[in-house]
This record gives sequence, structure tokens and C-alpha cells, in this order.
Amino acid sequence: NAGVTQTPKFRILKIGQSMTLQCTQDMNHNYMYWYRQDPGMGLKLIYYSVGAGITDKGEVPNGYNVSRSTTEDFPLRLELAAPSQTSVYFCASSFNLDQPQHFGDGTRLSIL
Amino acid sequence: GESVGLHLPTLSVQEGDNSIINCAYSNSASDYFIWYKQESGKGPQFIIDIRSNMDKRQGQRVTVLLNKTVKHLSLQIAATQPGDSAVYFCAENGPPSDDMRFGAGTRLTVKP
Repeated sequence: NAGVTQTPKFRILKIGQSMTLQCTQDMNHNYMYWYRQDPGMGLKLIYYSVGAGITDKGEVPNGYNVSRSTTEDFPLRLELAAPSQTSVYFCASSFNLDQPQHFGDGTRLSIL
Repeated sequence: GESVGLHLPTLSVQEGDNSIINCAYSNSASDYFIWYKQESGKGPQFIIDIRSNMDKRQGQRVTVLLNKTVKHLSLQIAATQPGDSAVYFCAENGPPSDDMRFGAGTRLTVKP
């Protein structure tokens, strides 16, 4: 099992550009999450999904969008990149809300 | 302990010693707790979890203690090894939102 796979691992964007961070999991988990991690801070929830076709906002959703067309994939879209979105982004999945979340290795994104 | 800000709390131990990492949580309704380990450049990795109906749970070389009275969680690592060097953070889950809430973490350094 590959677990949770995120691509790309690194990316540099210019202000105003857009991009999609990819996330796929092969554990047949219904729940998937996107977090951002800033230096010295805890993970902040951006969006989550409880199953294909269902998404909901987390704590810091502004500037991001998600979709969940399949159980396996949960891409995160940045439409107009801003310097404040410079961060490390982690995708995770879990069997249920009160079960351990399995994380990918992150996408390190810099907006210049 | 937990900290919000640029500088994580640090713990430095000698190889072979036992390590204790602490976490305070604020939501008395939280009923599920997890410890994660995060190595540099990697995603968080599940270590051990505990539910609120338990005070203690043991894994391989790790023990989690939960004190609901003072809302305190600790992770004990026995015979700490250089490979244990990482950032450790706790997460809690429970009403009202059922979102997993993450602490900022403690950086553990193991000296050979």
C-alpha cells in the first residue's frame, strides 16, 4: 500500500498564479483532509471531505477550493496565489472522524 | 508542553534515557487523543492513541497517559534512541466540532 500520496513535493509560484495540489489514497478511506502547517504552529484544517461528492470548510478555507469526485482523490486548488499561502500542505485520510489520520509527506509551496 | 509561535518547546535527552513529552488541551469534551511523530521533511506519523475512558495505554516503547481532571496528556518513550529525534505533537477530537485539533509540538533531540 502506498498510503497517502501527494504531488508535487515542492513548488514555487508567482503571486496571482494558480495551481492544484494532488492527493490520492489507496486505503479506501471515506474521510480526507487538507491541512497547512506554518513554522512553529499546529496543523490548520483547510477543507475536509466525508465521502465522494461531499466537501466542507475547515478553519482556514479562504483562497482555496477542493473537489472530491472519487473516494481516492482529493485535490486542493489555489486560484490566485498570495504570499500568505506560503506553507507546507498536508493531505490526510482516515476511516472515521475518531480514527488516526494517515498523512502524506506534504507539498512545500512558496509564493513569491 | 504546547506552544503557539515560531519556537517549539525542545527536549534534549541522552540516548538510552526515558523521555516524557507533555501536552495540555483545553476542551473538556474531547474524547479521543493521538500522538504523532514528525520527522524533518516528512508527514506526521501516528504513534499511539487513547480514548477518554482510559487513563493509560501502552505500545512498543511508548506509553500515553491521560489526566482528564487537569486536561493533560503525556507521551513517555522508553530507552530513547537517535531515531526518536523528531517533533512530537498531540491531537484531540471531540464535540462540538469533531475536527481533530493539533498542538504545535515539542522537538525531541536525542544525544548519542
